Amino acid sequence: EDQVTQSPEALRLQEGESSSLNCSYTVSGLRGLFWYRQDPGKGPEFLFTLYSAGEEKEKERLKATLTKKESFLHITAPKPEDSATYLCAVQARSGGGADGLTFGKGTHLIIQP
Amino acid sequence: KAGVTQTPRYLIKTRGQQVTLSCSPISGHRSVSWYQQTPGQGLQFLFEYFSETQRNKGNFPGRFSGRQFSNSRSEMNVSTLELGDSALYLCASSQTGANTGELFFGEGSRLTVL
Repeated sequence: EDQVTQSPEALRLQEGESSSLNCSYTVSGLRGLFWYRQDPGKGPEFLFTLYSAGEEKEKERLKATLTKKESFLHITAPKPEDSATYLCAVQARSGGGADGLTFGKGTHLIIQP
Repeated sequence: KAGVTQTPRYLIKTRGQQVTLSCSPISGHRSVSWYQQTPGQGLQFLFEYFSETQRNKGNFPGRFSGRQFSNSRSEMNVSTLELGDSALYLCASSQTGANTGELFFGEGSRLTVL
């Protein structure tokens, strides 16, 4: 069974204080690992797709990396508008195509001014 | 470009009733997925439709069903509602059949079962 564990569950940072969010996963044949951002009362918003170990993607203050067992979302010099819940998900490569995404429970990030 | 639209946004039902939720994907998107989000379990995959065919299904009981129409709009139905079905139901669409995982989510339908 595919599993995704995110840590920490919650993180409070001062504006400008860089940190990393962790996503550990087990999947039978990884098709892709995905990062989403979810604001209160909204649906998740796609951020990144990573396909293979060693791959990195960047977008503004966010950088996602992938190893064979985990992914990190690095946040550099965050601003209050980066406050959100960050979700990690994996997709398995199944015989008939791709399975639905398996999500972690997310990291609730608060950036204080 | 209009996003994914879900209706209704909020609804309250009682145990034993049934409910139908609707989802209009982004224009041109042919794949529609449904997810259930609860505080305890997080986001869980229900099923995915592409060109009116169910391609994948998660581990939910048969009370949860869905369908997709020729215009890609989708509906999901939950019969014989239970208290544990209270959740945010999210619909997501994607452009191609490649199932890349880059999904565009709606704002969800929040169901409360009393």
